[in-house]
Amino acid sequence: EAQVTQNPRYLITVTGKKLTVTCSQNMNHEYMSWYRQDPGLGLRQIYYSMNVEATDKGDVPEGYKVSRKEKRNFPLILESPSPNQTSLYFCASSPIDSRETQYFGPGTRLLVL
Amino acid sequence: AQTVTQSQPEMSVQEAETVTLSCTYDTSESNYYLFWYKQPPSRQMILVIRQEAYKQQNATENRFSVNFQKAAKSFSLKISDSQLGDTAMYFCAFMKPNAFGNEKLTFGTGTRLTIIP
Repeated sequence: EAQVTQNPRYLITVTGKKLTVTCSQNMNHEYMSWYRQDPGLGLRQIYYSMNVEATDKGDVPEGYKVSRKEKRNFPLILESPSPNQTSLYFCASSPIDSRETQYFGPGTRLLVL
Repeated sequence: AQTVTQSQPEMSVQEAETVTLSCTYDTSESNYYLFWYKQPPSRQMILVIRQEAYKQQNATENRFSVNFQKAAKSFSLKISDSQLGDTAMYFCAFMKPNAFGNEKLTFGTGTRLTIIP
């Protein structure tokens, strides 16, 4: 089954404790992206990647890091989480063809205390 | 930068009725794509319908259709014969393709739709 998976689905952590949210897709997509969803703000892009070793900032990259060492994986790293990073996070992927829509993972709900 | 505006934070409609969700956007581009995504209580993002700006014909998908007015930069979603399973948050999104293919999705703030039995 073609899908985007994220782990963990739910996470409660404390300020300053490094964490990684994993994202994996099995569709051989070149493009991968991370979004965060906050009430009243919709979804905003954090980082994206056009292919392996090619990443770039989105609209709200501060406090986040990403890497793309393999085509299928695109982890989101919070080196020192803060309460304002409490949010719902989505990973998405798509083929490089811009006519294709993006396929979203199930979301990761993060609470930073 | 592109912006997407959804002016209706919440809407409700009786089951089996028709409802229209509004979306406007601002761009100087001529080639772009517009989407409606549905987010049910499970939080999954589900593509409802897609419109390519160079196509004049409005997209339809079963009970879902759009009214795309390019000059007015308007992209409304019509849901016919609404069902309880249509209860969800609906997001309008804009995408401008770049030379390499994909570009980010710019989302509106969403409309929470409730279908009343």
